[in-house]
Amino acid sequence: KQEVTQIPAALSVPEGENLVLNCSFTDSAIYNLQWFRQDPGKGLTSLLLIQSSQREQTSGRLNASLDKSSGRSTLYIAASQPGDSATYLCAVPIGAAGNKLTFGGGTRVLVKP
Amino acid sequence: GAGVSQSPRYKVAKRGQDVALRCDPISGHVSLFWYQQALGQGPEFLTYFQNEAQLDKSGLPSDRFFAERPEGSVSTLKIQRTQQEDSAVYLCASSPQRAGGRYGYTFGSGTRLTVV
Repeated sequence: KQEVTQIPAALSVPEGENLVLNCSFTDSAIYNLQWFRQDPGKGLTSLLLIQSSQREQTSGRLNASLDKSSGRSTLYIAASQPGDSATYLCAVPIGAAGNKLTFGGGTRVLVKP
Repeated sequence: GAGVSQSPRYKVAKRGQDVALRCDPISGHVSLFWYQQALGQGPEFLTYFQNEAQLDKSGLPSDRFFAERPEGSVSTLKIQRTQQEDSAVYLCASSPQRAGGRYGYTFGSGTRLTVV
């Protein structure tokens, strides 16, 4: 059974510092890995999707890496801003057809001005 | 529409009451998913539709939970005889492909259900 873990559960950094968020998964046979952002009381916004054949994906200040063999992905957010404060979730597809996602518990980030 | 729309945004139900939560997916999206998110946790899969067919309902926690998508577009998640443990945010997501998890989802803003 695929299990996804995110450590730490919460993170507080001063503005301008780089953020490093970790995600680990137990079964390396994945189609892809997605990172989402969730603001309080809101739904999930997709940030990055890394296919299993890729090692990293970049979008603006965000960079996500994927190491299937070690069962890890890392989301880097450069030069953090107070607007980056949110919960960040990683997820991988499961099931024979990869239709449904299993999520980590999330990392709650606070960027202090 | 431009995104996945869910209604109501908030619902307070008395224990034992029946509730119905609505999801309008992005027009033309084949796959539709329901997830349940308890406070402070990641979302958990409930059920999946491909067009009007419910192909996977393995995540529904009990027979009090029922979902339908009769015309392959709008979906309704119904919870009968609500219990306090049903309090959560219910998220709907859609995808243009059949294997939605493999190609990415678009999530709605969710319905926050509080059972008192």
